[in-house]
Amino acid sequence: QQKVQQSPESLIVPEGGMASLNCTSSDRNVDYFWWYRQHSGKSPKMLMSIFSNGEKEEGRFTVHLNKASLHTSLHIRDSQPSDSALYLCAARSNYQLIWGSGTKLIIKP
Amino acid sequence: EAAVTQSPRNKVAVTGGKVTLSCNQTNNHNNMYWYRQDTGHGLRLIHYSYGAGSTEKGDIPDGYKASRPSQENFSLILELATPSQTSVYFCASGDVGTGGVNYAEQFFGPGTRLTVL
Repeated sequence: QQKVQQSPESLIVPEGGMASLNCTSSDRNVDYFWWYRQHSGKSPKMLMSIFSNGEKEEGRFTVHLNKASLHTSLHIRDSQPSDSALYLCAARSNYQLIWGSGTKLIIKP
Repeated sequence: EAAVTQSPRNKVAVTGGKVTLSCNQTNNHNNMYWYRQDTGHGLRLIHYSYGAGSTEKGDIPDGYKASRPSQENFSLILELATPSQTSVYFCASGDVGTGGVNYAEQFFGPGTRLTVL
């Protein structure tokens, strides 16, 4: 079983809507989480990181973290067509990154 | 900004042939990584390195070798390529460090699309 699980596998959101993506780890050694975004045909780039319980906001993007349940979520408000991409969650465990399979987000104009 | 380059960008190989994928980074990061990504899926770690001269096995090392001759360069070698190794390969550099969380981000190259016929 994958140590970092993301849901949903794919998500269609209308332009201007809210997209919510989830990531959970079953590895109790995980201490930090990152979200990466990968546009089609491109390489992954870090979008946001979160290391403490609570919430972090950067523009239209908000990340939540619950360290007790090892769950993080990414929320994108006022979604734009340019937000269409594969969103990858990465977690640090024993100083190595482990990756989820990603959520494919499609923003419909 | 951090820079990771890969060559070649596209490669067609024959079954049983030898393939070498090259990666160069100018970030002065200690750690380098090779991943493969299959259509619509996440990243799977093949090999990684903590510095010049070191290589470590990742989650799916079978059929692959790695070489880290210098801080800047990290190669992935397929001695006997098979069609199942058709994929997109990404190299990354970064320091998921033992200390502060700043050593966290991995910087990726543009990828190499490998097709084994």
